[in-house]
Amino acid sequence: ETGVTQTPRHLVMGMTNKKSLKCEQHLGHNAMYWYKQSAKKPLELMFVYSLEERVENNSVPSRFSPECPNSSHLFLHLHTLQPEDSALYLCASSQDRTGELFFGEGSRLTVL
Amino acid sequence: GQSLEQPSEVTAVEGAIVQINCTYQTSGFYGLSWYQQHDGGAPTFLSYNGLDGLEETGRFSSFLSRSDSYGYLLLQELQMKDSASYFCAVRLNNFNKFYFGSGTKLNVKP
Repeated sequence: ETGVTQTPRHLVMGMTNKKSLKCEQHLGHNAMYWYKQSAKKPLELMFVYSLEERVENNSVPSRFSPECPNSSHLFLHLHTLQPEDSALYLCASSQDRTGELFFGEGSRLTVL
Repeated sequence: GQSLEQPSEVTAVEGAIVQINCTYQTSGFYGLSWYQQHDGGAPTFLSYNGLDGLEETGRFSSFLSRSDSYGYLLLQELQMKDSASYFCAVRLNNFNKFYFGSGTKLNVKP
């Protein structure tokens, strides 16, 4: 138990579906992240929310939309995804100005 | 952009010592972290180097040389449970950006 909880753990969706991934952290941290993990590739930083500031990776397609309503919750809204978006999506949190990320177990996404 | 290089796979025997290297090219480097990930699990933090030199945490040590843009993770007294993937990650001057390497799969054999 890392203190970061992700739901759902597994998700299968069609290319026309709309779904959301949810992340909740119970550590009192003030920064939250979405990473994408594909086989044989580095963890790809998608989005960061820190002290209510969103830092966006410009290479992330607009079909991925993050939402951070407060410092404990983070969502990733998914819309008209492509099969190549199938991957493990990891949420993480950290306390500002420390070098340690705490990861959730991930949401395994399959796009058909 | 950021670029991190680490070996894709390393094999060692139980009880041995193994070193996993990481070289990086980045702007705004602030520090280097190491993470462990078992199959099907979440990455877990191992160590962080903000300054040059060696950081020791039990059987694991991590080293950083900023002038060489290089670091390594040293695992001693290897155990079967150490079989996992190990990732280096750079932290940028914007403190909340962490970029990861592709990971090194460590296979520990009896």
